[in-house]
Amino acid sequence: GAVVSQHPSWVICKSGTSVKIECRSLDFQATTMFWYRQFPKQSLMLMATSNEGSKATYEQGVEKDKFLINHASLTLSTLTVTSAHPEDSSFYICSARRDRGRNEQFFGPGTRLTVL
Amino acid sequence: DQQVKQNSPSLSVQEGRISILNCDYTNSMFDYFLWYKKYPAEGPTFLISISSIKDKNEDGRFTVFLNKSAKHLSLHIVPSQPGDSAVYFCAASAGSGTYKYIFGTGTRLKVLA
Repeated sequence: GAVVSQHPSWVICKSGTSVKIECRSLDFQATTMFWYRQFPKQSLMLMATSNEGSKATYEQGVEKDKFLINHASLTLSTLTVTSAHPEDSSFYICSARRDRGRNEQFFGPGTRLTVL
Repeated sequence: DQQVKQNSPSLSVQEGRISILNCDYTNSMFDYFLWYKKYPAEGPTFLISISSIKDKNEDGRFTVFLNKSAKHLSLHIVPSQPGDSAVYFCAASAGSGTYKYIFGTGTRLKVLA
């Protein structure tokens, strides 16, 4: 149990286009999902916290108009990188929290975004 | 400001010996700590966690020690196996409320056969 999937696993796009990444909890309902990005050989940086049915909470320095997050159901959150530029190229990872009151996150396999 | 630090970017250990990975934190509000293992181009895999009410938690070959006064935790892997070679991240959370994780910078462990 507690499987989180991401789609796509990798994507290459042209500068100026928008890219949507999906995060799904396959066998549980996720009250909260989180989006991280990781640059090569660096730590996972939390971008935003996504709660089902409400607006995402963004970390300081993360542009909410650049990284649109939608958490329409208890099993799906999407991250849309709008007007992507080469500096947005990164490894994006989502995680999902399963149970209320338990501090336990399950991570997806990540999505490699390359913007040309 | 890096609230969670792993000062050793890499560590090499002989197979069968003990691996000790260290992590320091600055925020005294953190009350829950975790260790994750990560391979390149994959998501992190949970290893072990510890609540601030404990100073030790053990799960098979993995033991996490927490020293709250020093704001320090460590992960011990005994015995180390070549399959343990990966990047290890510690993470900290301030608990109830947001349940956000703050990750450390990672330590690349290489277990030599």
